[in-house]
Amino acid sequence: AQRVTQPEKLLSVFKGAPVELKCNYSYSGSPELFWYVQYSRQRLQLLLRHISRESIKGFTADLNKGETSFHLKKPFAQEEDSAMYYCALNPLSGGYNKLIFGAGTRLAVHP
Amino acid sequence: DVKVTQSSRYLVKRTGEKVFLECVQDMDHENMFWYRQDPGLGLRLIYFSYDVKMKEKGDIPEGYSVSREKKERFSLILESASTNQTSMYLCASSLYSGGIKETQYFGPGTRLLVL
Repeated sequence: AQRVTQPEKLLSVFKGAPVELKCNYSYSGSPELFWYVQYSRQRLQLLLRHISRESIKGFTADLNKGETSFHLKKPFAQEEDSAMYYCALNPLSGGYNKLIFGAGTRLAVHP
Repeated sequence: DVKVTQSSRYLVKRTGEKVFLECVQDMDHENMFWYRQDPGLGLRLIYFSYDVKMKEKGDIPEGYSVSREKKERFSLILESASTNQTSMYLCASSLYSGGIKETQYFGPGTRLLVL
């Protein structure tokens, strides 16, 4: 079954500390993976996608097919990073651009 | 900038009422989606549409139906609202580009309370 697991409901860190938001997926093929973010009172928006191999707002994520993981990392957390983060999988088969989301991790960055 | 709008930010309905949630996008996207967002469960796909008058069930379609009469508009219908349908409902759209999977753009959400 296709599934995305985010094991942490809440991750609480201090400003300047490194951050790693975990994401594991279950899919037999080669998926496309995303991180979406929702800041307080804002709409859900794309943060980054693995295929772009980019760094957005200091965040990076590397697809590890061996461990079926796509963890989101940032070396130095900022207070404005506090938000809800969702990992999502788009199976490359089946068409129609569907996304399967994880349960989300709330990141709280304290001053 | 892609704009996805939802007709209401907050709705309060009574059990058994028929409820309509409207979503409009202005970027000529082929694909439109309805999700519900619940704490601890993330986003779960209710229905999606890949063309006018076309629809596909998502993971949790029970108790819901949809309508897409025009490309820009996708409606979610709760035929007879129940308290377990109290949730945040998110609409999204994306451009279908052949084999390339495009980003989904989300609306602001409608928070529905069923009493």
